[in-house]
Amino acid sequence: NAGVMQNPRHLVRRRGQEARLRCSPMKGHSHVYWYRQLPEEGLKFMVYLQKENIIDESGMPKERFSAEFPKEGPSILRIQQVVRGDSAAYFCASSPLPHTPAGANVLTFGAGSRLTVL
Amino acid sequence: DAKTTQPPSMDCAEGRAANLPCNHSTISGNEYVYWYRQIHSQGPQYIIHGLKNNETNEMASLIITEDRKSSTLILPHATLRDTAVYYCIVRVASGANSKLTFGKGITLSVRP
Repeated sequence: NAGVMQNPRHLVRRRGQEARLRCSPMKGHSHVYWYRQLPEEGLKFMVYLQKENIIDESGMPKERFSAEFPKEGPSILRIQQVVRGDSAAYFCASSPLPHTPAGANVLTFGAGSRLTVL
Repeated sequence: DAKTTQPPSMDCAEGRAANLPCNHSTISGNEYVYWYRQIHSQGPQYIIHGLKNNETNEMASLIITEDRKSSTLILPHATLRDTAVYYCIVRVASGANSKLTFGKGITLSVRP
C-alpha cells in the first residue's frame, strides 16, 4: 500500500513562473491537507480538501495560490507568479473517510515537495 | 483546536527512555491528543493518539492524566534515529475543524 505520493520532490522556478505541486493520497483516503514549511520555521496549514470540495482554506494566501482535488487524479497545489518568498517545503497529507472509528482519522504525510524560486 | 505547551528542547541518552511532556489545559471533551514527529527535512510522521486512556503501540506509549490536562509521550528505548521535533496536538477527530495545527514542538536530541 503506497503512502502519500508527492511530486515533484524538487522544483526550481524563476520569479513570475507558475509552480504546480501534485499529491496522490493513500488508497482509500478521500481527504487531503496541504501544509507549507518555510526554511527554519514550523508547519503551517494551508488548505483542506475532499474530493471536488474545499473544506477549509483559511491558511491559503489570498492571491496567487489555489488548490483542487478533482474527482479523478491527484490533488494539485498551484502557485502563480512565484516570488522568492514562496521558496519552501510543501507537504501534503491524506486521511480516510470521515466515518472511521472515532479518533482514527490519522493524517499520513508525504515526503514533501521543495520549491526553490530563483 | 486547544493550545498545547511543550518545552522547547530536551535530550536523553541512547537506550534510555525519553519522556516528552505536553500541557493542554483547555482541551475539550471531544478532542483527542495526537503526537507526530518530524525528522529533519522529512514529512511529519504519526506516532500515537489517545482520548482518555493510556495507549501503547510499537513506537511509543502515551500517558494522559485523569483530568486530561496534560500528557506524556514515552519512547521506551531512544535511539539516535529518534532525534526529531515532536509535536503534541489536540484536535477533534473529524469534520471541518479536523486539521492538525502544529506548534513549535519539542526538539529531542538523543546523544550516544
